[in-house]
Amino acid sequence: DAGVIQSPRHEVTEMGQEVTLRCKPISGHNSLFWYRQTMMRGLELLIYFNNNVPIDDSGMPEDRFSAKMPNASFSTLKIQPSEPRDSAVYFCASRGTGVAFEQYFGPGTRLTVT
Amino acid sequence: AQSVAQPEDQVNVAEGNPLTVKCTYSVSGNPYLFWYVQYPNRGLQFLLKYITGDNLVKGSYGFEAEFNKSQTSFHLKKPSALVSDSALYFCAVRDGGNTPLVFGKGTRLSVIA
Repeated sequence: DAGVIQSPRHEVTEMGQEVTLRCKPISGHNSLFWYRQTMMRGLELLIYFNNNVPIDDSGMPEDRFSAKMPNASFSTLKIQPSEPRDSAVYFCASRGTGVAFEQYFGPGTRLTVT
Repeated sequence: AQSVAQPEDQVNVAEGNPLTVKCTYSVSGNPYLFWYVQYPNRGLQFLLKYITGDNLVKGSYGFEAEFNKSQTSFHLKKPSALVSDSALYFCAVRDGGNTPLVFGKGTRLSVIA
């Protein structure tokens, strides 16, 4: 298995531009999570999906952030418009069904907004 | 609500010495506990987990963790540290529901040759 796949790995954009981050979870996993990691705040859960349905988006910082999961094998996190304070590493993780299952993380997307 | 505390931001240990990275948790119901490691510029990598059964759990790279219900702790240990163990370590907990892991703030381990 290729694991959780994220693209792009690095993104540099200018303030005000739209940014779209992509994630392909592990096949067969039914839960997907988006996290953001910064030095100041550590690892923050932004939103998670169960069976493609958003369950909790209370971690999404502002309306500029949105996430979708149109099918079991693909999710996007969009920031529009982007701001310098959005600069961070964004991780996607997926998990199978059952309390014993661990979450598997992708390699992350390092976003820099100038 | 679930929570995890990692009381040490940084742990320094000499190569070959035993290491301990501390974690305490709070959860209603039975805890499901996890340790992850993050190397520079990488994603979090699963190390080990406690679900039920033996309080001493063995995981990857020679790491182990001891579940202590009375102290609500799940400390990560390794008998002999390697320089290559230097990384950021996260403890995480979830309850029995279909909920995300709640992570601690992380502890940076530095193993000095």
